[in-house]
Amino acid sequence: SQQGEEDPQALSIQEGENATMNCSYKTSINNLQWYRQNSGRGLVHLILIRSNEREKHSGRLRVTLDTSKKSSSLLITASRAADTASYFCATDDHQGGSEKLVFGKGTKLTVNP
Amino acid sequence: EAGVVQSPRYKIIEKKQPVAFWCNPISGHNTLYWYLQNLGQGPELLIRYENEEAVDDSQLPKDRFSAERLKGVDSTLKIQPAELGDSAVYLCASSSSRGPYNEQFFGPGTRLTVL
Repeated sequence: SQQGEEDPQALSIQEGENATMNCSYKTSINNLQWYRQNSGRGLVHLILIRSNEREKHSGRLRVTLDTSKKSSSLLITASRAADTASYFCATDDHQGGSEKLVFGKGTKLTVNP
Repeated sequence: EAGVVQSPRYKIIEKKQPVAFWCNPISGHNTLYWYLQNLGQGPELLIRYENEEAVDDSQLPKDRFSAERLKGVDSTLKIQPAELGDSAVYLCASSSSRGPYNEQFFGPGTRLTVL
């Protein structure tokens, strides 16, 4: 089963614009991660935010976390065509004593040159 | 540093045939994961190994799927017999207990098509 739900499912913007993707989850977490997947490729880790953090930056990426609303957002500023990919949020799931990542369905981002 | 290696990249088989996927994790990574990714979906965990021990295989359909990680390094995932619904991308990932918490490094995946 998948815990995270990304919103929107698909997003198309022009190069230079900002892209915002949202993720909602259901259970309590220790941390939340964002991954990128280019077409036909594996996933690449972008950023991790812990449950006691509210905002984190990495280059052109900005991630926020609101544990009261069980939601996170990923902002990509000054987007580039190379940012075209699917973006997934993943939460750690400790239910049943097993540590694993639970991924959402992803947001497909298209950045038009 | 070499990343996670998977082979084959693509596989086309007829239903009821067996198929096997191979994964070589990043050197020194003790944890290895196999995920299933259906089209338009996020990856779903099939099995997780800590060294050679399968510590979470609750999502692995054991009637037809099997996996092994001999010597705690390479791993194979097998499906026998394959069904039409098994068409998907099978991703392997690895992580290190010494690294950032549960940051997983993914291979390119094997795209399976069952006809």
